[in-house]
Amino acid sequence: GAGVSQSPRYKVAKRGQDVALRCDPISGHVSLFWYQQALGQGPEFLTYFQNEAQLDKSGLPSDRFFAERPEGSVSTLKIQRTQQEDSAVYLCASSQMSGIFYNEQFFGPGTRLTVL
Amino acid sequence: SQQGEEDPQALSIQEGENATMNCSYKTSINNLQWYRQNSGRGLVHLILIRSNEREKHSGRLRVTLDTSKKSSSLLITASRAADTASYFCATPGGKLIFGQGTELSVKP
Repeated sequence: GAGVSQSPRYKVAKRGQDVALRCDPISGHVSLFWYQQALGQGPEFLTYFQNEAQLDKSGLPSDRFFAERPEGSVSTLKIQRTQQEDSAVYLCASSQMSGIFYNEQFFGPGTRLTVL
Repeated sequence: SQQGEEDPQALSIQEGENATMNCSYKTSINNLQWYRQNSGRGLVHLILIRSNEREKHSGRLRVTLDTSKKSSSLLITASRAADTASYFCATPGGKLIFGQGTELSVKP
């Protein structure tokens, strides 16, 4: 595809449910990032993959959040036992290079998660 | 925790006017990036300025960087209604660290 795609675009979950959010990065992009964006705020980093390796998960807010990228392409962000404070837009981004100093990141449209 | 802080938080101007947004950051950087976010196109990279650069231009965009003050500014000249969006500065360190953004409204 031409860009980063995410699915679903919208997700409503009842508190306590598990959810899985999918990200399809740009083909061939080495790096993949997940961000969480609360209403009126800038995106906040969650986790980073270089190919299939999860190199940084320091932004994951709790052990209910889990991300994987088993084959180095598609990634899934899973949130277990969702809570109301998990309501946010979850953004996925990919970049071509694996270095840490320069990376133009290409963002997907995001998944808006609402936890009731 | 967010690295950058944009100023002002909101800005409303008339089409054709210039818009200036500022960003301050906390730690040393290799480069600083500006992004735009609107409901139509999501989050889009606008311009990157490296730490050894003081000014950079791209079309109607002009970015300055003052590493001694840990600040950057984004100037949009001859604004258009389509420039209405939120603008974020971001500093990389493997991951991007965004500020809270400036919400720009350009009225026709």
